[in-house]
Amino acid sequence: DAGVTQSPTHLIKTRGQQVTLRCSPKSGHDTVSWYQQALGQGPQFIFQYYEEEERQRGNFPDRFSGHQFPNYSSELNVNALLLGDSALYLCASSLERGNTDTQYFGPGTRLTVL
Amino acid sequence: QQQVKQSPQSLIVQKGGISIINCAYENTAFDYFPWYQQFPGKGPALLIAIRPDVSEKKEGRFTISFNKSAKQFSLHIMDSQPGDSATYFCAASRVTGSSNTGKLIFGQGTTLQVKP
Repeated sequence: DAGVTQSPTHLIKTRGQQVTLRCSPKSGHDTVSWYQQALGQGPQFIFQYYEEEERQRGNFPDRFSGHQFPNYSSELNVNALLLGDSALYLCASSLERGNTDTQYFGPGTRLTVL
Repeated sequence: QQQVKQSPQSLIVQKGGISIINCAYENTAFDYFPWYQQFPGKGPALLIAIRPDVSEKKEGRFTISFNKSAKQFSLHIMDSQPGDSATYFCAASRVTGSSNTGKLIFGQGTTLQVKP
């Protein structure tokens, strides 16, 4: 049973560029959440996708956008990169049914903005 | 009101000892409290979680104690082992109802070192 997978593993970009990160949820899961984890900090919620729509959003600017595909995989896009966007970006998947919020995290994508 | 405060920031325990990490929350709407373990270069892995209708949950060497009135919960790691050395995060969310579901609010993390 494949867990949550993310690509790429590492990414280096320069200020002002745009980046796309990808996530495949755990088999059977239909909901994808994205988190940003700065060095030495806890993960911060960016947004969540369910049924191909953004269902909830954290306190992140519009430069952060996403998409969910019919197969439940998801992309996170960040435009006009800033140095402060350097972080580990985590994708987590869960199942909508059952009043549970068990979220399973992927290994993350380490983004470095120079 | 959305914060989850975690302490201590770091913890050193001898092998075989008990590791205790504490968290406090403010939002009484939270009804799901998981603990995650994270090793360097890896994503967080769910350890154990509790709902507020019980005061304690145990899974192997890991126990969550929950105090609803004090809005606090803690993780106890019994018989701590060097392999438990990692960063631990508490989190909280609301999973029932139509609003604010799915958004995990994390504590700042505790770096645990278990000495042999």
